[in-house]
Amino acid sequence: SQTIHQWPATLVQPVGSPLSLECTVEGTSNPNLYWYRQAAGRGLQLLFYSVGIGQISSEVPQNLSASRPQDRQFILSSKKLLLSDSGFYLCAWSVGQGSNQPQHFGDGTRLSIL
Amino acid sequence: EDQVTQSPEALRLQEGESSSLNCSYTVSGLRGLFWYRQDPGKGPEFLFTLYSAGEEKEKERLKATLTKKESFLHITAPKPEDSATYLCAVYGDSSYKLIFGSGTRLLVRP
Repeated sequence: SQTIHQWPATLVQPVGSPLSLECTVEGTSNPNLYWYRQAAGRGLQLLFYSVGIGQISSEVPQNLSASRPQDRQFILSSKKLLLSDSGFYLCAWSVGQGSNQPQHFGDGTRLSIL
Repeated sequence: EDQVTQSPEALRLQEGESSSLNCSYTVSGLRGLFWYRQDPGKGPEFLFTLYSAGEEKEKERLKATLTKKESFLHITAPKPEDSATYLCAVYGDSSYKLIFGSGTRLLVRP
C-alpha cells in the first residue's frame, strides 16, 4: 500500500532563516506531488505541484520554492523565512494523468516563525 | 471561476443525533467531488469520490450524495469519534487544481 511521510512534524524558525521540508511517497511510481498551505479555519491553498522529476509548477509567487530531485521525493524550501510563512504545510500525492483522482495527504508540518 | 462553499461552518450534535453537511459547488464540467476528514494537527484523510449526479457512497455512519449543484455528507447516529473537520473539494474541466471548501467543524458530544 502507498504511504506518505512528511518531516518534521513541527518546526520553529527565526525570521530570515532558511527552510527545508521534505516529503516522500512509498508504494507507487511517478506520482503527482503537491505542496499546500492551510491557514486556520480556511481551505487549502495549493503552492506547488509536480508531475515528474524536475517538473515544478508554482501557483503562488512568494518566498518559497520546491524541488523534486527523485521520483518520490518533494522538497519545500526557502532561503529567508518571513513571518507570513507561518502555517500548516501539507504534502499530497495522486496518480494518473487525468485530474479526477483523489489526492492523499501526509500529516503535515506546523511551521512557526519567530 | 470554480468555487466550493461548505455549510454550516460548525455543527454540534449529541451522540446519536443524525444530520447532514452541505457542499455547494460551481464548476464548469465536474470531473470529481471529494470528501475528506481532517483531525486537529493532521492531514486530510480521503473518504469518498463522487463523479456524477445521483451517485452515492457509504462508509460506516457516513453517506455521501451528489447532485448537479451540491453534495451532502449524511452522518447517521454519530459518535464522539466522528468529531473532526470535514472538507469538500472539486475538480472541474477549467482547472487542473483541486478546489477546497473551508470545511465544516463537527463536534459530537457524548
